[in-house]
Amino acid sequence: NAGVMQNPRHLVRRRGQEARLRCSPMKGHSHVYWYRQLPEEGLKFMVYLQKENIIDESGMPKERFSAEFPKEGPSILRIQQVVRGDSAAYFCASSPRPGATEAFFGQGTRLTVV
Amino acid sequence: DQQVKQNSPSLSVQEGRISILNCDYTNSMFDYFLWYKKYPAEGPTFLISISSIKDKNEDGRFTVFLNKSAKHLSLHIVPSQPGDSAVYFCAASPYNQGGKLIFGQGTELSVKP
Repeated sequence: NAGVMQNPRHLVRRRGQEARLRCSPMKGHSHVYWYRQLPEEGLKFMVYLQKENIIDESGMPKERFSAEFPKEGPSILRIQQVVRGDSAAYFCASSPRPGATEAFFGQGTRLTVV
Repeated sequence: DQQVKQNSPSLSVQEGRISILNCDYTNSMFDYFLWYKKYPAEGPTFLISISSIKDKNEDGRFTVFLNKSAKHLSLHIVPSQPGDSAVYFCAASPYNQGGKLIFGQGTELSVKP
């Protein structure tokens, strides 16, 4: 049973470009969470999705950021018109049900905006 | 507003001794607390959790203690091993928020041979 798969592992974008980060949850997991880790900080919750639904986006910046988890395929975190402050590690976690106490995390995507 | 705080950015311990990592929280509306371990360039790995109705949970070398009156929890690792060297994150799960986690800033543990 493969773990949570994130790709790419590293992504470099110029200011103003779009970044697309992908997350394939563990088999049988229909709940996906995205977190962002800025340098020297802990992980900060961004968004919680189930298949085709956004359940909680209270941690998402109001502009330029969006997330989806379609019926088929991976979850996508999309950042439009990236700025230097978006440089961070973005982690995805999945769980088989809501409120699972052991969310499994992917290895993360490290986004660098130059 | 930092609801979960780890006030020690780093901790150094001799191999074989006890490591104690601390975490404080400000919100009483958490139903579970969790500890994650993270190596550089990898995602966090779940270690151990404790329900808010318990005060202790033990799993092998790892024990988590919860003091609700002090809003404090700690992770004890006994005996510490060099392979335990990593960043440890405390996290809290708010009631009825579907598994969303609030993380502390992390404590970097270094276990010296």
